[in-house]
Amino acid sequence: DGGITQSPKYLFRKEGQNVTLSCEQNLNHDAMYWYRQDPGQGLRLIYYSQIVNDFQKGDIAEGYSVSREKKESFPLTVTSAQKNPTAFYLCASSIDGTRTDTQYFGPGTRLTVL
Amino acid sequence: KNQVEQSPQSLIILEGKNCTLQCNYTVSPFSNLRWYKQDTGRGPVSLTIMTFSENTKSNGRYTATLDADTKQSSLHITASQLSDSASYICVVRPGGGSQGNLIFGKGTKLSVKP
Repeated sequence: DGGITQSPKYLFRKEGQNVTLSCEQNLNHDAMYWYRQDPGQGLRLIYYSQIVNDFQKGDIAEGYSVSREKKESFPLTVTSAQKNPTAFYLCASSIDGTRTDTQYFGPGTRLTVL
Repeated sequence: KNQVEQSPQSLIILEGKNCTLQCNYTVSPFSNLRWYKQDTGRGPVSLTIMTFSENTKSNGRYTATLDADTKQSSLHITASQLSDSASYICVVRPGGGSQGNLIFGKGTKLSVKP
């Protein structure tokens, strides 16, 4: 998983609660990403950031929020507004987000809403 | 609409046999295509990247091909091993823009049996 850590590995949440997923990288990468993976579907981009203090919405940003206060960290908050949050969440980073840049993925966090 | 279709959805082979996974895309303009390997419950790991001018690229027992005219790619696995059991994801990056708009296939789940 190449220097990207995600915690916790498993997370359980009650309906109506906000929860924050951690993503840290020590690869000195400028760009970081959050994806959601559901069974039988391709990865879908939630948010991405190419530089500290800046981030852009992906295809499914509704009900999620992020911050990028430090280069190494890109936490994702799943809010109560996300209607179907149970999924596998993957964080990734890349050197600078350019054309042939490789994205390196973390081990993922499996979120289950009870 | 930019899409990436992979086939088959799942595949079971015996250890030591070869197999080929397919990826068709409708992404235009095209920048590059990657194959990722994702072990169950883990993050994807990049196997190869292919740009428009590349036809074949190998990474050990993995060989990827690209036909940019027909918009097809394949991943050939030679002399399969039990550790090859995983999902293989085809990812296409459209030309222009940032890495925020990668198009992910749904993956092919490969099971290698002894």
